[in-house]
Amino acid sequence: ETGVTQTPRHLVMGMTNKKSLKCEQHLGHNAMYWYKQSAKKPLELMFVYNFKEQTENNSVPSRFSPECPNSSHLFLHLHTLQPEDSALYLCASSQEGGLFRGADGYTFGSGTRLTVV
Amino acid sequence: DQQVKQNSPSLSVQEGRISILNCDYTNSMFDYFLWYKKYPAEGPTFLISISSIKDKNEDGRFTVFLNKSAKHLSLHIVPSQPGDSAVYFCAASRNDMRFGAGTRLTVKP
Repeated sequence: ETGVTQTPRHLVMGMTNKKSLKCEQHLGHNAMYWYKQSAKKPLELMFVYNFKEQTENNSVPSRFSPECPNSSHLFLHLHTLQPEDSALYLCASSQEGGLFRGADGYTFGSGTRLTVV
Repeated sequence: DQQVKQNSPSLSVQEGRISILNCDYTNSMFDYFLWYKKYPAEGPTFLISISSIKDKNEDGRFTVFLNKSAKHLSLHIVPSQPGDSAVYFCAASRNDMRFGAGTRLTVKP
């Protein structure tokens, strides 16, 4: 496989459940990101990992917990979510993070459509 | 704090005509500006970018214009094709990337 792969594509979970979203990139990139896309809103940056180290946590509630075991894998652990957390969660990667030289942009996965019931 | 704004949620254009998508930003420290295209059930894909030191970048049918004094950029697609129908996101970057809410472009045959 090439590019950025996200699993699962769709997830329905109850407010008391614990689940995890997975992202894997095969591009040799060093930075990975979680974004949230709610209907008719901008993509919201959630977390940034650069060389496996978290460099930004954009005021995300603690019910979202990221994990980056290596530069190719990124997880988002979900616990006691609320219905308003229902959204499309997008993973992205780039060659470098931090002082980003954005000429080539990020490579995004297809996202996980999360519904909290 | 929405630093990147796309004020038009939708745009409809006839095939063969020009599509102009607009974007405004507030942070003068952004050093790159980008456009992404998103089809349903897919993630955004990078389309074209422009450095803050330039005012125009062209790639085939796609041209991005940057007006720093107005903090405004636009994407021109000419000629527009039905396959261009998608949601277009404007983004701006410095240490990370900030996105607008998107504009849904529909190109009618």
